[in-house]
Amino acid sequence: ETGVTQSPTHLIKTRGQQVTLRCSSQSGHNTVSWYQQALGQGPQFIFQYYREEENGRGNFPPRFSGLQFPNYSSELNVNALELDDSALYLCASSLQGRETGELFFGEGSRLTVL
Amino acid sequence: GQNIDQPTEMTATEGAIVQINCTYQTSGFNGLFWYQQHAGEAPTFLSYNVLDGLEEKGRFSSFLSRSKGYSYLLLKELQMKDSASYLCAVRDLRGYNKLIFGAGTRLAVHP
Repeated sequence: ETGVTQSPTHLIKTRGQQVTLRCSSQSGHNTVSWYQQALGQGPQFIFQYYREEENGRGNFPPRFSGLQFPNYSSELNVNALELDDSALYLCASSLQGRETGELFFGEGSRLTVL
Repeated sequence: GQNIDQPTEMTATEGAIVQINCTYQTSGFNGLFWYQQHAGEAPTFLSYNVLDGLEEKGRFSSFLSRSKGYSYLLLKELQMKDSASYLCAVRDLRGYNKLIFGAGTRLAVHP
């Protein structure tokens, strides 16, 4: 089975710009979550998508938005970038209904905002 | 509020045993996870506890006490490749699969 893949792996943006990050879920998984991981910190939940709809959101402003497509792949969009948005953005897929429901993470997209 | 505490750093010797503790205070609880994260890599799933007690998986074991809001990850027969960050995470009680992570414990294994 293929794992979770993310693109791009690294990118640099300037304040005020917009960015789109992409994620392909692990084969057979129907749920995708996005997390933000600042240096030296644990991942922070941004939101989750199931059946192409957002069904859970963390403490992030509306300029963080997302999409899930029929093939379960997903995008994270961040508008009006701020310096504090610099972080590793992790996509995780899981299978709704699986007993443990563990998340399978991609390698992440490292965003630097200058 | 929601709070997960784990030590920032630990060191241990190759071949030894190390225990990484995690305490949590959350408004809801629906399972506790441990993940391993090597520098620059994705977190990988190690263990899951939802009931009190010990779960063993090879060299790794995880323990949970829900009444005490406490878990630990036990690593036996340490190897150099076990040098990594270990993340404790609690799953929110609400319907969706949200994990609340601690800041992680950086473990350095020395020869």
